[in-house]
Amino acid sequence: DIRMTQSPASLSASLGETVNIECLASEDIYSDLAWYQQKPGKSPQLLIYNANSLQNGVPSRFSGSGSGTQYSLKINSLQSEDVATYFCQQYNNYPTFGAGTKLELK
Amino acid sequence: QVSLKESGPGILQPFQTLSLTCSFSGFSLGTSNMGVGWIRQTSGKGLEYLATIWWDDDKYFNPSLNSRLTVSKDTSNNQAFLKITSVDTADTGTYYCTQSWQRNWFAYWGQGTLVTVSS
Repeated sequence: DIRMTQSPASLSASLGETVNIECLASEDIYSDLAWYQQKPGKSPQLLIYNANSLQNGVPSRFSGSGSGTQYSLKINSLQSEDVATYFCQQYNNYPTFGAGTKLELK
Repeated sequence: QVSLKESGPGILQPFQTLSLTCSFSGFSLGTSNMGVGWIRQTSGKGLEYLATIWWDDDKYFNPSLNSRLTVSKDTSNNQAFLKITSVDTADTGTYYCTQSWQRNWFAYWGQGTLVTVSS
């Protein structure tokens, strides 16, 4: 199976700051990557698919990039409602998820 | 507007079979390239993919759980089903059904149903 390594595991940032979360695949996944946001007690919500395509209704301050084995999620101008745990997921092979990045406000 | 909702037994004993139902609206499993996926979230393994059933009855499974999983659908009644045989405490967690289209990314998720395996 393809292992997805996310970093950092946790992150503290200030309102208005730009945040980057990284995801490293154990092999080339050819941009078959999605990002999800999960708030406490809620289901995950799709943010990005195909590495850089923004899901309908997701604010434009979220963006994805990367190729090969290295991908990142960028949040511009952090808002209070962005406090959540973020997961990457590859679907080049049977789907596997990263362990998550917990984002908190500083 | 897409909506999904899982239902299940809540609690069951080791070695029993877990049966879950996903009832959905806003899309049809009769539509080309549509799928319903099952994912669980456990304290031990985090988010774990289980299986997907596609519009054409094609099925895709997590290889590590394949022998224990069964997925099926009732297209007319907008429902999908998951069975896991011979459960143990490691199967305790929240189970989600999701909508997929063409590929295995998960655009919409149900609220999840908590399953506890305990003797």
